[in-house]
Amino acid sequence: SQKIEQNSEALNIQEGKTATLTCNYTNYSPAYLQWYRQDPGRGPVFLLLIRENEKEKRKERLKVTFDTTLKQSLFHITASQPADSATYLCALSNTDKLIFGTGTRLQVFP
Amino acid sequence: DAGITQSPRHKVTETGTPVTLRCHQTENHRYMYWYRQDPGHGLRLIHYSYGVKDTDKGEVSDGYSVSRSKTEDFLLTLESATSSQTSVYFCAISADVGGDGYTFGSGTRLTVV
Repeated sequence: SQKIEQNSEALNIQEGKTATLTCNYTNYSPAYLQWYRQDPGRGPVFLLLIRENEKEKRKERLKVTFDTTLKQSLFHITASQPADSATYLCALSNTDKLIFGTGTRLQVFP
Repeated sequence: DAGITQSPRHKVTETGTPVTLRCHQTENHRYMYWYRQDPGHGLRLIHYSYGVKDTDKGEVSDGYSVSRSKTEDFLLTLESATSSQTSVYFCAISADVGGDGYTFGSGTRLTVV
């Protein structure tokens, strides 16, 4: 069956460092991949979309890579700030619906 | 969230009672989705709609039904609520497939006692 894996352990990093989150998938060939941010008690907020024919996408301090051979996406936040603390979800699709991973909690401390 | 509202925000209901959750959008988006979010499972798709009166099942559709009689409204009904349906329910909208991401509502926290 299709499976999306994100590190369930929280990622703790110091302010100013680069945070790197991983999303791995199996038994799936997504046409595109998305990353979302979710704060406690709120709905997910869309951050970035990357298509299968794209290797990298950037938006301000965010960078996403997509390796369809490794079946992996990496999500980077450079110059991280305490305000970046949240849970980050990856989601994949090759149809008209998204399948989500369980998310990785990021904690940025001063 | 702008353009999408869910109601109610919180609800406690008894086992065996019917429950309807409402999702309303003002964006005129074609696609609407219902997800549930539970610890350890993440977001799981219940049902979705790709147009008025056009709906399809997601991965956890048992015990749920949906209706979309207007572009702006997508209703999720639990015909006979069970404790396993205690969850946080999110509605999402999107204009197209593979374009921009989804816009999510603020969620409905449902407790079945």
